[in-house]
Amino acid sequence: NAGVTQTPKFQVLKTGQSMTLQCAQDMNHEYMSWYRQDPGMGLRLIHYSVGAGITDQGEVPNGYNVSRSTTEDFPLRLLSAAPSQTSVYFCASTPGGGSYEQYFGPGTRLTVT
Amino acid sequence: EDQVTQSPEALRLQEGESSSLNCSYTVSGLRGLFWYRQDPGKGPEFLFTLYSAGEEKEKERLKATLTKKESFLHITAPKPEDSATYLCAVQGTRDTGRRALTFGSGTRLQVQP
Repeated sequence: NAGVTQTPKFQVLKTGQSMTLQCAQDMNHEYMSWYRQDPGMGLRLIHYSVGAGITDQGEVPNGYNVSRSTTEDFPLRLLSAAPSQTSVYFCASTPGGGSYEQYFGPGTRLTVT
Repeated sequence: EDQVTQSPEALRLQEGESSSLNCSYTVSGLRGLFWYRQDPGKGPEFLFTLYSAGEEKEKERLKATLTKKESFLHITAPKPEDSATYLCAVQGTRDTGRRALTFGSGTRLQVQP
């Protein structure tokens, strides 16, 4: 199993550009989430999904969009990049049932100039 | 609102010098408390889940304990390879449906040879 994979690993965008961060998991996990990590602020939840076709907002959803057409994939779209979105983005998945621990991907470091 | 506070922010130890990291939390109803290890440039790696006060978990030189208000990560005779940022997170009953975790800002541990 590859676990949770993310692409790209690094990305530089200009203000106003859009892009999609890719996330995939091969563990047949029910739940998936996107977090951003900023210095001194911990990991903050952007969006999450409780299953294919079902998504909802987390604590910091503005400027981001998600969809989940399959169990495996959970892409995060930046609609119009802003410097405030410079961060490291992590995708995570959770099995469901009685399991609550999250398993994280390697992250995407995004810089918006 | 669930909150997690970790202390100290940074800790420098000599190889073999045991110590503890603290995680204080407030949560609506604790489903689980989680410890992760994060190496620079990588995603958080799951270490332990604790579910109820009095529970303990061990892995090599690490031992996690839980009370009703805080958790400790005890590091016994650390080695340089234990150097990393250690993250604490909680899941409250409010977040059970979305499997979202509330994270602390982490403790950066450096173990010098």
